Amino acid sequence: EAQVTQNPRYLITVTGKKLTVTCSQNMNHEYMSWYRQDPGLGLRQIYYSMNVEVTDKGDVPEGYKVSRKEKRNFPLILESPSPNQTSLYFCASTKRDRGTSPLHFGNGTRLTVT
Amino acid sequence: SQQGEEDPQALSIQEGENATMNCSYKTSINNLQWYRQNSGRGLVHLILIRSNEREKHSGRLRVTLDTSKKSSSLLITASRAADTASYFCATDGGGSRLTFGEGTQLTVNP
Repeated sequence: EAQVTQNPRYLITVTGKKLTVTCSQNMNHEYMSWYRQDPGLGLRQIYYSMNVEVTDKGDVPEGYKVSRKEKRNFPLILESPSPNQTSLYFCASTKRDRGTSPLHFGNGTRLTVT
Repeated sequence: SQQGEEDPQALSIQEGENATMNCSYKTSINNLQWYRQNSGRGLVHLILIRSNEREKHSGRLRVTLDTSKKSSSLLITASRAADTASYFCATDGGGSRLTFGEGTQLTVNP
């Protein structure tokens, strides 16, 4: 089944403790992206990747890192999480021709930083 | 900055009625997409309309696009309780980003 898989689904952590949210897709998509969703703010893009070893900042990249060493994986790294990073996070992917291809989303990771 | 803005923010209707949601955007686009999100879940793509198209249908969904007014509407006909969800428009203005609005929360009452 074609899908985008995020893990974990729920995560509670403390300020400053490094964490990684994994994202994997099995559709051989070139484009992958991370979003965060907050009430009243909609979805905001954190980082995206057009292909292996190619990443770029989205609208809200501060406090996050990503890597794209393999085509299927695009982990999101929070080196020193803070409470303002408490949010619902989504990974998404699509074909290289992103302009006419829909995004496929994972089921989300709800992160709480205390 | 948010490109697409949905209106209304929330909509409550009875089963069988039609639901209309609107999306406005600021800059020129290549295409506009509509997505649906069940509570707390990932977004699911519904329909894409290109900038040179005016109307598109998919089952009970009808999307219109007016590039002169920079607006789009999503019509769900004969709504069902299972249509209860949040609906987002997303604009593709070229480059590498798809920009989402804040969504319309649709509640369909049985």
